[in-house]
Amino acid sequence: AQTVTQSQPEMSVQEAETVTLSCTYDTSENNYYLFWYKQPPSRQMILVIRQEAYKQQNATENRFSVNFQKAAKSFSLKISDSQLGDTAMYFCAFMKYYAGNMLTFGGGTRLMVKP
Amino acid sequence: KAGVTQTPRYLIKTRGQQVTLSCSPISGHRSVSWYQQTPGQGLQFLFEYFSETQRNKGNFPGRFSGRQFSNSRSEMNVSTLELGDSALYLCASSLEGGFTDTQYFGPGTRLTVL
Repeated sequence: AQTVTQSQPEMSVQEAETVTLSCTYDTSENNYYLFWYKQPPSRQMILVIRQEAYKQQNATENRFSVNFQKAAKSFSLKISDSQLGDTAMYFCAFMKYYAGNMLTFGGGTRLMVKP
Repeated sequence: KAGVTQTPRYLIKTRGQQVTLSCSPISGHRSVSWYQQTPGQGLQFLFEYFSETQRNKGNFPGRFSGRQFSNSRSEMNVSTLELGDSALYLCASSLEGGFTDTQYFGPGTRLTVL
């Protein structure tokens, strides 16, 4: 079984600054996928970014980027130029290779962007 | 394109009752997954349906069941409700399921068990 741990229950950042959210996971799988999801106060979950474990290159989506360290089983999310709309719960998630749509989520990090 | 819709949005039941929640995926999507979100346990996978067949199942008791219809709409049923079943139930849909498909989540159904 897989486990995903997010050690920072809450974080805050000033608008326009950079913040990094941590995520570690445990698995015996060699091929898998990792995701960061955002859940704003409206509660609609939105995919932020995804990473294939067999790719060494870190994924980037506009202001969002990840630092994927496979050996350390670490998958952190960096948000640059933070905006007020980034205020949300952020969940790190794991999916086994070719396992359909079965996500294992971490406990979440509540991010507050302050003006 | 309409997003994932879930009905009802809010529901109040009493212990021992049963409940059925509905999820309509985005048009063309064949995979539907269900998740339970609680403050204590976080987000937990319930099950996934693809082309009317259950493809994956999480670690929940048999009181939790689901099904998918030929139009990909899905329902989940919880029988003999317990207080601990109070949660936000999220449904997500994608084209086929898997890494390259983005899962789109619905707004959720908030179930309160009294």
